[in-house]
Amino acid sequence: EIVLTQSPGTLSLSPGERATLSCRASQSVSSSYLAWYQQKPGQAPRLLIYGASSRATGIPDRFSGSGSGTEFTLTISRLEPEDFVVYYCQQYGTSPMYTFGQGTKLEIK
Amino acid sequence: EVQLVESGGGLVQPGGSLRLSCAASGFTFSNYWMTWVRQAPGKGLEWAANINQDGSDKYYADSVKGRFTISRDNAKNSLYMQMNSLRVDDTAVYYCARGVKCSGSHYCAFDVWGQGTTVTVSS
Repeated sequence: EIVLTQSPGTLSLSPGERATLSCRASQSVSSSYLAWYQQKPGQAPRLLIYGASSRATGIPDRFSGSGSGTEFTLTISRLEPEDFVVYYCQQYGTSPMYTFGQGTKLEIK
Repeated sequence: EVQLVESGGGLVQPGGSLRLSCAASGFTFSNYWMTWVRQAPGKGLEWAANINQDGSDKYYADSVKGRFTISRDNAKNSLYMQMNSLRVDDTAVYYCARGVKCSGSHYCAFDVWGQGTTVTVSS
């Protein structure tokens, strides 16, 4: 089973700053199969990035994804107030078919 | 509007059963893999099961295998999860979600989610 570890657990930044969220896999993950989600309190997750770097429909270009192998990054170039929520990475593989990281909470400093 | 709406959650005793439903609209349901993802209170996301377009392929997380059954009715644009032998640790919000094709025939992420239905297993 591929385990995804996200860091940091909580990231404290100010609006307008740049955020860098990390997702490390216990084994190599195909870049095509790494995704990122945003989840606001009381809401369903929202797909931000799939295929490691492709933005989903309607996602602002301040969100970008990168990485390969076991190290992946979600970057938010200029934080807006609504960006201070929880983010999950997710990989597609085999047994189990999909696994998620434990999440990174982005909080206002 | 593309939409998924779950229903069927509730309070059930350990060992009991529930059937969740997910009604799809605004897209050609029969063209997509569909998935159930759950989230225990205050916890992260956990994939539970998914099913291919015609229902012939189904996959389950080890935590639900043998107890939960995913199914679909393309004529009714609906996805289901029959949950038997429920345990306290099955307590969660259950989301249905639509698969995104990333490469070839692989559906590697989920681009449309319902609002979730809450299942509480408690005596």
